[in-house]
Amino acid sequence: ETGVTQSPTHLIKTRGQQVTLRCSSQSGHNTVSWYQQALGQGPQFIFQYYREEENGRGNFPPRFSGLQFPNYSSELNVNALELDDSALYLCASSPDRAFGNTIYFGEGSWLTVV
Amino acid sequence: RKEVEQDPGPFNVPEGATVAFNCTYSNSASQSFFWYRQDCRKEPKLLMSVYSSGNEDGRFTAQLNRASQYISLLIRDSKLSDSATYLCVVNIWDMRFGAGTRLTVKP
Repeated sequence: ETGVTQSPTHLIKTRGQQVTLRCSSQSGHNTVSWYQQALGQGPQFIFQYYREEENGRGNFPPRFSGLQFPNYSSELNVNALELDDSALYLCASSPDRAFGNTIYFGEGSWLTVV
Repeated sequence: RKEVEQDPGPFNVPEGATVAFNCTYSNSASQSFFWYRQDCRKEPKLLMSVYSSGNEDGRFTAQLNRASQYISLLIRDSKLSDSATYLCVVNIWDMRFGAGTRLTVKP
């Protein structure tokens, strides 16, 4: 109903592996942000892309990387997975840079690292 | 110190009760403020924005005190459907979320 879809919804990976999570935003939503939400915590900002360029980054190591494509889709890549990377990963999009009322979350991807 | 701190809860209240959540933020450059609601294993959804003048949306009232860097949410006449986690959110450049306060409304 938000127009933001994420895939896969659930996945299990082994420590040291790499994972790619995908997000499809509404047409016209030029800004996309990714968040990590560990159990019992609020979402933590990973990074933001605006018109295919990284536009801000939270306190996450370089093994967290992303891409945004012209068709309003985006990816979150995590290399060298660690057990603490187990979390809900949320994608959020907005039609402009000013987040607020216009932020739309996808349903998230649940990642378990074993 | 966390950028956004909330009452950890949980709050367990009977139907019809009034419940208040508090939140403080540390960055005085914060530009806008929100309450989000998150149901179990679902994505956060915007409940309401918070303005310095205070604002109300039905049974929900939000207040902001910029001088004290304090935000509150008041829920009157609680319903079973209000059971969720309530996230305090501050917008600096990106959205900064508190850890959330869990509310359970019981019959």
